[in-house]
Amino acid sequence: GAVVSQHPSWVICKSGTSVKIECRSLDFQATTMFWYRQFPKQSLMLMATSNEGSKATYEQGVEKDKFLINHASLTLSTLTVTSAHPEDSSFYICSARIGPHSTDTQYFGPGTRLTVL
Amino acid sequence: AQTVTQSQPEMSVQEAETVTLSCTYDTSESDYYLFWYKQPPSRQMILVIRQEAYKQQNATENRFSVNFQKAAKSFSLKISDSQLGDAAMYFCAYRNNDMRFGAGTRLTVKP
Repeated sequence: GAVVSQHPSWVICKSGTSVKIECRSLDFQATTMFWYRQFPKQSLMLMATSNEGSKATYEQGVEKDKFLINHASLTLSTLTVTSAHPEDSSFYICSARIGPHSTDTQYFGPGTRLTVL
Repeated sequence: AQTVTQSQPEMSVQEAETVTLSCTYDTSESDYYLFWYKQPPSRQMILVIRQEAYKQQNATENRFSVNFQKAAKSFSLKISDSQLGDAAMYFCAYRNNDMRFGAGTRLTVKP
């Protein structure tokens, strides 16, 4: 099947700094990518949907100025957590859709564990 | 808004036995997809099975099968001949434009 990678797999940063997480579709082009956040022992919560070349669409309650999403190419989307705080510590998972239609298959990355000290 | 409900936070099954995980959802759409994902301790999401809403026939993948009741908006997962490797978190998901997940069920398999 198609492969989605994330980098880094884990990161520790100091409060107030910014962290960038990369999501890549390795063997397919992804017009649309999704970013999820998963707190310990909880479900995946959709944060935003990004389409290549356009602004991301954020879910209600997600601060777009804090979680900057860039989808500059068909194989790369980045999530930047700006001025990170301990409450931003979580597991971030990206997902890439293999085609332009909502019926197309969606593949998940392995996730990035962010710890903010 | 679409919601997905998994009412069983934890389930346990004896190895080689059968277990059913429940899922209900709420939507006003007629065309959508439903999924069951497995998340082991590695946290990698693994697709177990998918069901297209327009198909009446229940999906089956080896030991995994679903009971899809569209009118009741129910989508349960049956795992037959449970194996130790089946132990994981299981998430039910609904997708129309984007994918929404239930709270998850932690499955324990006893040897």
